[in-house]
Order: sequence, then C-alpha cells, then structure tokens
Amino acid sequence: DIQMTQSPASLSASLGETISIECRASEDIYSNLAWYQQKSGKSPQLLIYAASRLQDGVPSRFSGSGSGTRYSLKISGMQPEDEADYFCQQSYKYPDTFGAGTKLELK
Amino acid sequence: EVQLVESGGGLVQPGRSLKLSCAASGFTFSNYGMAWVCQAPTKGLEWVASISTGGGNTYYRDSVKGRFTISRDNAKNTLYLQMDSLRSEDTATYYCARLVRDSYAQWGQGVMVTVSS
Repeated sequence: DIQMTQSPASLSASLGETISIECRASEDIYSNLAWYQQKSGKSPQLLIYAASRLQDGVPSRFSGSGSGTRYSLKISGMQPEDEADYFCQQSYKYPDTFGAGTKLELK
Repeated sequence: EVQLVESGGGLVQPGRSLKLSCAASGFTFSNYGMAWVCQAPTKGLEWVASISTGGGNTYYRDSVKGRFTISRDNAKNTLYLQMDSLRSEDTATYYCARLVRDSYAQWGQGVMVTVSS
C-alpha cells in the first residue's frame, strides 16, 4: 500500500497567518492527490483535487501544489472558520490511502 | 444540491451482520462511482470499498475482503454495504461518498457502527 505521511500533526496559527501542511507519499503518485477539511463533528469536505485544482465553492485562500512524492496545502490568511482537521489522500493505486491528519487551531 | 443520506448503523455483537444504505439525490446516481469510507473514533479516514457506475466492478480493502459487500441499485439511487462477520475493529463512523475525478467530492453525514458484546 502507498503510505501517506502528513506533517505537522498539529498546528496553531494566528488570524491572517499563512500556513502550509505537507504530505509525502511512499512512491510517486503522479499528482493523484486530494485534500479534505473536516470540522469537528462533521463529515469531510473536498478542498483540492489533482494536487492543485480547487473544488467548486472553496475559498481561493486554499491552494495545493506539489508533484512526485511531495505535496502541500497552503492557506493564505487563516480565518476562524478554517479551524479543522485536514487530510491528504492518494488515488493513484488501490487501496486509496489517507494521511493521518493535521489539526489546525486558531491561536 | 447533492445529498447522500446514510442509514442502518447501530450496535451489533461480534460475528453478526449489518447492512448500511446510502440514499442519493441531486445528481444522476448511475453516472458516478461510489465508495464507503470509515473513521474509527478519534482516528483518521480509511477507505473501505468502491463500486463502478454499473456495479460490475467492486474493490475492497484487504481487511474487509470476504466479509463486506458493496452494491448499488441505480433504479433506487441507493448504495449499500453488507457487513458480515463483524469484528470490534470495524467499529467506526461509515460515510458514503461520491467519486468525481478519483476524489471523494461529496460525503454523507455518516452512520455509526459499534461492534461490541
């Protein structure tokens, strides 16, 4: 199985701060990567697909980048509503696998 | 608006069965692959199974192969997960999700399955 290593496990950011979350795959996943946001007690929501494509309705402060085995999610200007868990997911090979998650809190 | 509504969860003893349903609306159900993804309490996400648009192709994670069966009824716009020989480690919230460009584009609200004696 492809292992997805996500970092950091937790992060605290101030209002307006720009933050990045990293995801590293155990092999090349050719940009078959998505990012999800999960707020407390809610189901996950797709933010980014194909490594850098913004899902409809997602604020433009969210962006994704990367290739090969290394990918990142950037939030340009932390907002209170961005407090959540974030997960990466690869779909290059079955089984689809997720990163362990990053808990983002507002400082 | 895309809606996915799961049902059928609950408390079940080890070794018993449960069948989850996911009622879909707001899109042409038969045009999309579908999947089940689970999340154990305070844990991360784990893919369980996927099914193609017509139901002819199904895929499972190793730990549920031979015990779980994913299926769909396109006439009823409903996705199913038959869960047999349940184990304590199957305890989780189960989400159904619509697959779009190999990503889980929409998710249901989730249904809790607790396996315990």
